[in-house]
Amino acid sequence: ILNVEQSPQSLHVQEGDSTNFTCSFPSSNFYALHWYRWETAKSPEALFVMTLNGDEKKKGRISATLNTKEGYSYLYIKGSQPEDSATYLCAFITRDAGGTSYGKLTFGQGTILTVHP
Amino acid sequence: SAVISQKPSRDICQRGTSLTIQCQVDSQVTMMFWYRQQPGQSLTLIATANQGSEATYESGFVIDKFPISRPNLTFSTLTVSNMSPEDSSIYLCSVVGQILLRDTEAFFGQGTRLTVV
Repeated sequence: ILNVEQSPQSLHVQEGDSTNFTCSFPSSNFYALHWYRWETAKSPEALFVMTLNGDEKKKGRISATLNTKEGYSYLYIKGSQPEDSATYLCAFITRDAGGTSYGKLTFGQGTILTVHP
Repeated sequence: SAVISQKPSRDICQRGTSLTIQCQVDSQVTMMFWYRQQPGQSLTLIATANQGSEATYESGFVIDKFPISRPNLTFSTLTVSNMSPEDSSIYLCSVVGQILLRDTEAFFGQGTRLTVV
């Protein structure tokens, strides 16, 4: 059983605060690590797909880093806004015996972010 | 990319009854997945829906409880049978392309929020 852990479980911040979340995952058989944002009553939406050790990706005020050797990824939100309120999920994808992946995602429990005006 | 229409979006059901959830994709996809998120838990894979063959179930999930159909490459259903309050969850369908290419994400339906009373 793969163990993907996210922390914190929930976070309340004020508008304008910067925040970060952690995702830890197995360091073996790594294929990719995904970050998704999931708003209530909507589909989870991909933020980042991270594949290489040392990857740093940025989309607006949100950025993520990846360390596959030690098995962790950080998601950062700079200057949080109320519209950032959502559940942030990381998902670990294992490399199969053929070196690819058929697409099974193992999710962490998610971090619920609430940004107060 | 893929757009997935999932329905119903929510339902309240009596224990002992069954509910069928549908996912329609706007393009042909090889792999479709069904996930469940119980309250306070991670999104957990129930099964992989294969076109033309039986679904592949994860440990702890069985066909009698969660029968799945995949009649073609754009459609799948998941039935939650003989429901009990423990089945109260969010159910999500997900798709990837041919295989999960390393730099591509998964796509999700909007989810079905099921409450069993």
